[in-house]
This record gives sequence, C-alpha cells and structure tokens, in this order.
Amino acid sequence: QKEVEQNSGPLSVPEGAIASLNCTYSDRVSQSFFWYRQYSGKSPELIMSIYSNGDKEDGRFTAQLNKASQYVSLLIRDSQPSDSATYLCAVRINSGGSNYKLTFGKGTLLTVNP
Amino acid sequence: DTEVTQTPKHLVMGMTNKKSLKCEQHMGHRAMYWYKQKAKKPPELMFVYSYEKLSINESVPSRFSPECPNSSLLNLHLHALQPEDSALYLCASSQGLAGGLAKNIQYFGAGTRLSVL
Repeated sequence: QKEVEQNSGPLSVPEGAIASLNCTYSDRVSQSFFWYRQYSGKSPELIMSIYSNGDKEDGRFTAQLNKASQYVSLLIRDSQPSDSATYLCAVRINSGGSNYKLTFGKGTLLTVNP
Repeated sequence: DTEVTQTPKHLVMGMTNKKSLKCEQHMGHRAMYWYKQKAKKPPELMFVYSYEKLSINESVPSRFSPECPNSSLLNLHLHALQPEDSALYLCASSQGLAGGLAKNIQYFGAGTRLSVL
C-alpha cells in the first residue's frame, strides 16, 4: 500500500509566526508532490507543486522536498488568520502501466491565532 | 484560467431517485477525475478518464456510473444511492495523465454536496 502520512494536528500558531507542515510518503519512485489548501466546506486549492529536491518559494509559501528521506514540507511565513485551513499533502503515484493517481494524506488542520 | 465548473452545488435525493452530477472544463485538459470526500477526510479517488476513456475505476459500486461525452464534460450518474453515499463530490482535471510533470497538476471544481435521504 503506497501511503502518504501527515500529522493531523491541529497545529496552532500565532499570527506572524512560521507554520511548518510535514509529510512523508512510502513510494520511493514518486516524482510529483503537491500541497493543497482546503477551507472548511470548500474544495481543495493548489498552493504549491514541487518535483526536484530542495526548496521552492512562492510568496509566503516554501515547499521543501527531500527524496532520499521521502519527505516533503510546507512552510508558511508571516502566518495570517486567513491561512487557517486544512492542508493536504498529495503525491502522484503510479497505479499500474501508464496510469497515475494522486494519493492524499489525511491533512493537517492549521489554526492561526490573531 | 483554471476553472472547473460543477453543477449542481447542492443535491438532495431519495434512495430511489436517479440524478446526475455534471462537470465541465474548457482548459483543453484531457484527464478528468471524480473524487468523493467525507467530512474531515481526504478526497478519495473514484474514477479517472483519459482522452474520454475510463482509465481508472477504484472499485466503485455500480450505483455510481461515470460518463465522459466529450473532452470538456464529465458526468456522474447516480441511482439507488444509500445514506452513507452522502458526501462532497469533487471533479478535477489535468492536462494529461502521464508524461511531463506540470501536466499532472489537478485543478478542482467547487464540488457538489450530496445528501441521500
């Protein structure tokens, strides 16, 4: 079973702090990794995608990938109350032949306190 | 524009009803997906279509019947559902299924919240 693991939280940080969200995956050959943000009652919204080892920055968000450790993380700098949501880590996994699918972690609930 | 449009937004149906969910995208994407999401759980993949052909069926009960009439449209036909099928049904699309990494990015619609009475 190819799995994606996340701490379910809740993770609570004060406004302005750095929020750190972590994810590990079991399929060593995975190549594509995604972070989605999901507000309560809404659909997932893509925040970051990362394919290469190292860091990728986009505004206040930084994704970090370490394929050797099978670990991907998301840092949110200067956290805002509007960042309060569930963050889903997703890994693209080969499901046989040329078929691929996203496998999601259970999500980490982030609360940013004013 | 990364818009995936789902209708209806909300649906209430009885266990003997037949209804359909609709999903549309005009981004030229050739892969489309149906997911089911229960409260406080991650999305669960149901079906994947690639170039209008069913590519993945995650052992979904036959009371759910997908259809891809053309490259922009994806339907999910519902019949004789059970109360436990109540959930948020999400449609997503991506440029492709295999190949280049940027093509894998899935964009989600707003979802249809389904209640089965």
